[in-house]
Amino acid sequence: QSALTQPASVSGSPGQSITISCTGTSSDVGSYNLVSWYQQHPGKVPKLMIYEGNKRPSGVSNRFSGSKSGNTASLTISGLQAEDEADYYCCSYAGNRLDVFGTGTTVTVL
Amino acid sequence: QVQLVQSGAEVMQPGASVKVSCKASGYTFTRYYIQWVRQAPGQGLEWMGWIDPNNGDTSYAHKFLDRVSMTWDTSITTAYMDLNRLRSDDTAIYYCAREFSAGGAFDVWGQGTMVSVSS
Repeated sequence: QSALTQPASVSGSPGQSITISCTGTSSDVGSYNLVSWYQQHPGKVPKLMIYEGNKRPSGVSNRFSGSKSGNTASLTISGLQAEDEADYYCCSYAGNRLDVFGTGTTVTVL
Repeated sequence: QVQLVQSGAEVMQPGASVKVSCKASGYTFTRYYIQWVRQAPGQGLEWMGWIDPNNGDTSYAHKFLDRVSMTWDTSITTAYMDLNRLRSDDTAIYYCAREFSAGGAFDVWGQGTMVSVSS
């Protein structure tokens, strides 16, 4: 049950698009379209941004989108804004009633 | 409104046990799993396990199998997480969260409980 692999950091300028990857295995990300993404600002509680791979909860901006290819899920933030600067975590169902989080990615808006 | 309210911060000795509570309100408690996630200082999120308040079914992450117990009390809509044989690396914020869809979809989170383990 190893953590999913994310890049430590991703940066972009305001208005640009960035993509955060989340690499797992054929036992977790590759087997299920059950990946969620969280945004966490410093000192705050995580906020659900994407669930079931590509669905947005009510109130989440449509600038956030999710996708998957093989064992890698991705979160794309388009039209990057200063308020998007935060840590982002993926989470996947891993079978056998288990979940697993990613290692986390710090997004910096230049 | 829907919310989860956790118990207050704890300072524990190594080897001791800690029990964190998570009181749910604003929704039907038995309809959603309660998940537990922790975050060590400056570190990422770590999934610990879940409990189904409908029947007490549980699932724990492998690394916590022999040290964690998740329980519940429907009469007071409260879930609990017990962690025993505490070590210094258990120092973390412990969160409870409501799972509304499979695959780690946690839509409501508690405010977090800081557990510090130190001699």
